[in-house]
This record gives sequence, C-alpha cells and structure tokens, in this order.
Amino acid sequence: DAKTTQPNSMESNEEEPVHLPCNHSTISGTDYIHWYRQLPSQGPEYVIHGLTSNVNNRMASLAIAEDRKSSTLILHRATLRDAAVYYCILNNNDMRFGAGTRLTVKP
Amino acid sequence: AAGVIQSPRHLIKEKRETATLKCYPIPRHDTVYWYQQGPGQDPQFLISFYEKMQSDKGSIPDRFSAQQFSDYHSELNMSSLELGDSALYFCASSLALETGGRETQYFGPGTRLLVL
Repeated sequence: DAKTTQPNSMESNEEEPVHLPCNHSTISGTDYIHWYRQLPSQGPEYVIHGLTSNVNNRMASLAIAEDRKSSTLILHRATLRDAAVYYCILNNNDMRFGAGTRLTVKP
Repeated sequence: AAGVIQSPRHLIKEKRETATLKCYPIPRHDTVYWYQQGPGQDPQFLISFYEKMQSDKGSIPDRFSAQQFSDYHSELNMSSLELGDSALYFCASSLALETGGRETQYFGPGTRLLVL
C-alpha cells in the first residue's frame, strides 16, 4: 500500500495561511490524493482531493508536486475552528488513515 | 442535507457480551465503510461494502462481522467483547464512481462503545 508521511504537529496564528505538507513518494499513477480533517470529538470530514492538477474549493487549496510525490494542503486564513488533525490519504478504491498532522491555531 | 446516521451514539457493554452498531448511509450512496478509533489513535479501517457485497477488508477482528442490507444500511456485529474494543466506531458512506479512488467518504458522528 502506498503510504504518506506528515509532520506530527504544526502551529499557526489565526488569520495567517497554513501549509500542511504530505510526502507520498510511492504513489501510483492512479492514486488520488485526499485530505480529511478530524475536529475534536467529531468524525473525519472531507476537505479536498486531487490527482495531478492543483485544486481549489471553499475550504482549502491543494498543491500537488509535478512528480506527485508530495502535496501541500493550504488553508488561506486559519481560524480557531480549523484546529484539527489533518490526514493526507491516498485513495484508490480503499482508504487508510495514517498518522496525521495536529494543527493548533493560536489566537 | 441528509448525513450519515449511526445508532446508538453511546453503548456500554460488559466483557464477553455482544453489540450491534447500525449505520444508515446518505440516500443514494451505495458504499459503506466501518472504522475503529481507539483513544488517542487514528481511525483504522475495518471493512467496506458495495452494493451489499463486501468490497474490502481491513483490520477487522474475527469476532466482528458486518453486512449491508438491501436498503443499503449496514450493521457491525461484535461478539465476545474485550476491554480493548472500547473505541469510537465510525461509519462512512460514498457513491461509487466509475473511476475508482475519487469517491468522497462522508462520515457519521460515530458510536462510542465502552466495554467494562
């Protein structure tokens, strides 16, 4: 199974951009890159996904490296409500959560 | 918009008892996934079903079984409960797409199981 590597934790100040990195050097050509987040005491929540091109939605942006071996989730202006564990997951008909990044947002 | 419904939300059982968790997917979703999240841990995939057939199997113990019914709801049956089974159990649903790997999973609020 293709695996992902993320930093254990990151900190950000409120209203500032946050760049959450993910390495997936063994990604296959058909693996989609998904990002989910889990707020405290809640189920995981879909954030964004992409295959090759960068993607934007109302929650975040996803920047995918040209060789697809890494990607970055971008929160343009972090809010206190963005404090969560962020998971980068490779999905090709199945999904496995690895150890995500715990994002702390400071006021 | 309708979300994934899980019941019960909380469950307390004794060791060696059985438990049944239920999951009602988002209407028109045909795929259901079960995850287990122990205290302080990341969600672990247990099993999934597509169109009432098991589609993938993860780290589900032999004491657990699951199925998806004709109305697409799913049940996770857990027998001979152990203290280590205490965890949050999440169900997620999705709509299968022609190009596999693009599906977005929508998670329910979870069932918190406590085994005493």
